[in-house]
Amino acid sequence: AQKVTQAQTEISVVEKEDVTLDCVYETRDTTYYLFWYKQPPSGELVFLIRRNSFDEQNEISGRYSWNFQKSTSSFNFTITASQVVDSAVYFCAPRTQGGSEKLVFGKGTKLTVNP
Amino acid sequence: DTAVSQTPKYLVTQMGNDKSIKCEQNLGHDTMYWYKQDSKKFLKIMFSYNNKELIINETVPNRFSPKSPDKAHLNLHINSLELGDSAVYFCASSQGRTRETQYFGPGTRLLVL
Repeated sequence: AQKVTQAQTEISVVEKEDVTLDCVYETRDTTYYLFWYKQPPSGELVFLIRRNSFDEQNEISGRYSWNFQKSTSSFNFTITASQVVDSAVYFCAPRTQGGSEKLVFGKGTKLTVNP
Repeated sequence: DTAVSQTPKYLVTQMGNDKSIKCEQNLGHDTMYWYKQDSKKFLKIMFSYNNKELIINETVPNRFSPKSPDKAHLNLHINSLELGDSAVYFCASSQGRTRETQYFGPGTRLLVL
């Protein structure tokens, strides 16, 4: 069964600081996908990134970057120069290609960016 | 141009009542889902349908019954509502049942009094 751990329950930073949200997952599957979603205070779930387990290249999208380390089963998310609008709960979620085919969410990390 | 929509957005009802939540997607996806998010923000899948066929049915009380009249719609009917059913219910859809990105609706906040 899949399992995902987001050890940081809450993080508080000041605007313009860089912040990294950790995600460690467990899976027995050789092929899987990893996702990050954002849930701002308004409540909707916003897709951020999907990563294939075969692709270990880091990804950068504007101020967002993701570091995938298959050897340590981690898929960490970094926000550079954080802004107040980044305040949200961030969820990491692995999904296997076979078996249960479920998207399993971590408990989320609540990020607060203070002005 | 809403991709995944849910109605209603808010639902306040008494214990014992029966209620339905509707979901529609206009993305042309073939797979739809229901998730429940509890008060601690924990998100858990309840059901999944692929081409109107039930493919995931988690340990959910029988009082919850999903229905998919077509690929674009997935409704959730809840009988005999209980206090513990209070939560936010999210509908999602994806093209394919395994690796594709799931896109979520805005959520339905259910409060059972």
